[in-house]
Amino acid sequence: GAGVSQSPSNKVTEKGKDVELRCDPISGHTALYWYRQRLGQGLEFLIYFQGNSAPDKSGLPSDRFSAERTGESVSTLTIQRTQQEDSAVYLCASSLDLEGLGDTFGSGTRLTVV
Amino acid sequence: AQKVTQAQTEISVVEKEDVTLDCVYETRDTTYYLFWYKQPPSGELVFLIRRNSFDEQNEISGRYSWNFQKSTSSFNFTITASQVVDSAVYFCALSEAPHRDDKIIFGKGTRLHILP
Repeated sequence: GAGVSQSPSNKVTEKGKDVELRCDPISGHTALYWYRQRLGQGLEFLIYFQGNSAPDKSGLPSDRFSAERTGESVSTLTIQRTQQEDSAVYLCASSLDLEGLGDTFGSGTRLTVV
Repeated sequence: AQKVTQAQTEISVVEKEDVTLDCVYETRDTTYYLFWYKQPPSGELVFLIRRNSFDEQNEISGRYSWNFQKSTSSFNFTITASQVVDSAVYFCALSEAPHRDDKIIFGKGTRLHILP
C-alpha cells in the first residue's frame, strides 16, 4: 500500500485480556517503530526494528509488552494481561535510512481497556 | 540523557498572524538529529523536517521556517501568515544516534489553535 497500515483502528478490551496490534509498513522500509500516545501526552518510544537485527526493546514499559517482526514485513505488538493504564493510541512508523526523509506514521490503534 | 522540552502546551492565534513554537533539547552527543512533526485532528503524524546537528543553516519551506541555534540548544518552528488548517499538535523530537534510524524522543507537543 501507499502508507503504513495499522489494524484494528479501535480496540476495546476487558482488563486482563491479551491484545494484538498489527502494523503493515511501507514496502521496502527497513526500519519499523512502535510508539504509544496516552491521552494528552507526548509520544513514548516502545520498540524499534531495523532489518534482521535484534530489536531495540528499551522502551517497552513492562514484560507484558512484546513485539515481533519477520524480516522487513508486518509487525505485531502484543500486550498481555491488559491494564487500564495501557489505554492509549499505539502508533507504528516505518522509514528508509535516507537523508531528508522522516518516518511515515500509520493512523494508530486506539486501545481502550475497560 | 536526551530530553526535548516544548514549554508551550497550547497556543491560540488569529488567522494570518505569525506564530513560533519553541523547542529546547538536551543531549550529550555531538551528532544528533532534530525533527518536527505535525499531528492534525485525524491523528496521523506528518513529518515536517529533519535537521542534523552539523547543519545550523536555517530552513524555509513556504510558510514554515525553522531556526536551529546550537548555542541555546533550540530548534524553533515559525509559521508565517497562519491558516486554520495549521491547527494541530506539533511535536519536536530528537534522535541521538549516529545513524538516523534509532529511537526518537519526542517532546510533549504544542497544541496550536488558529482562530478564523
